[in-house]
This record gives sequence, structure tokens and C-alpha cells, in this order.
Amino acid sequence: KAGVTQTPRYLIKTRGQQVTLSCSPISGHRSVSWYQQTPGQGLQFLFEYFSETQRNKGNFPGRFSGRQFSNSRSEMNVSTLELGDSALYLCASSSRGGPGTEAFFGQGTRLTVV
Amino acid sequence: QQQVKQSPQSLIVQKGGISIINCAYENTAFDYFPWYQQFPGKGPALLIAIRPDVSEKKEGRFTISFNKSAKQFSLHIMDSQPGDSATYFCAASNRYGNKLVFGAGTILRVKS
Repeated sequence: KAGVTQTPRYLIKTRGQQVTLSCSPISGHRSVSWYQQTPGQGLQFLFEYFSETQRNKGNFPGRFSGRQFSNSRSEMNVSTLELGDSALYLCASSSRGGPGTEAFFGQGTRLTVV
Repeated sequence: QQQVKQSPQSLIVQKGGISIINCAYENTAFDYFPWYQQFPGKGPALLIAIRPDVSEKKEGRFTISFNKSAKQFSLHIMDSQPGDSATYFCAASNRYGNKLVFGAGTILRVKS
């Protein structure tokens, strides 16, 4: 079974630009969550989508948005990029997203904002 | 109330020794406690997880001990090997979806 696939692996963007990251979950998984990982703040939850609906949202500004498609693939968008947005962005998928459901992470997209 | 506090920040253990990482939480709504292992350049990988209705869970060399009254849980790695050298994260989530709250991480180095 293929794992969680995130594209691209690496991105370099300029301040003020916007970026879209993509995540393909494990086949059959309907829940996709996004996390930001930085050396200073660690792993922080951005949002979770289940069956195309945002079910949970973390404490990030509105510049961070996401969506999920009918095939469970998800995209995350960051607008008006800031230097502080430089991070590893991780996507995790789980089968039904209920309590205690195992979440499997992709390798992440390394975003550098210059 | 959403925090998970993890200690130590870093740990050096001799090959064959026991590695112990501790976590504490405050939110009593948490009811799922996974541990993740992350190697450089990789995403976190689920290692082992526990629900609060059991006090201990063992899978191979990895054991989670859970103390519900103290709101603490820990990871024990028995017979630690150099290949276990990685960053370990504890996490917690409640029953309302799949939002994981992570500890700050522990960098484990196993010396051969």
C-alpha cells in the first residue's frame, strides 16, 4: 500500500508570494491533517479535513487555508508569505479520523521563504 | 490546557541500555496518546499508541506506561540500539477528530 505522498518536496518562495502544497493520502483514508514543523515551535496543528469538510482548525492566521477533494486528496495554501512561514509542512492521513485513529505522515514539503 | 510537556530534551544512552522519555498533559479530554519517531529528512512515523483504559502497552522493545491519575505517560525503549537514534515525539488527541497535540520532542542518541 502506498504511503502518504506530498508534493513538492522542496520549495523556495519570495516574501509576499503564495504557495500551494499537495497531499495524497493513503488509499481509502478519508481524513487529512496538516501540521507545521519548525525548530522553535515544534509540530503544530494547522487543520483537518474529513470528507471534504474542515473539521478542526489550529491557531494560525487566515493566510493559511486548505481544501479536500472528493478523492480525499488535499491542498494547503499559504498566501502573502512571510519569512516566518519557512518550515516543514507535514500531511497526515487516517482512515476515518475518529478518536484513536492512527495517523500516518508523509515526508513533508520543505518551504523556504526568502 | 492543550499542552503536552515532554522531557528530557535530549538523551544519550549506551547500546543495550534503557531509554526513558516522559510526557505530561493537563487536558482530561485527551483519550489517545501516540508516540512518533522521526529521522532527519523524514516525516514522523507512528511507533506505538495507548488509550487511557490501560496502564501499559508493549510492542517489541517499546513500552508505553500510562498513569491516568497523574496525567503522565512515558516511553521505554529496551535494549536501545544505534538505529534507534532519532527524535521522539509524544502526542495526545481527544475524541473530537484527529487533532494531535505534540510534545516538544526528545533527541535520542544511542552510543555503540
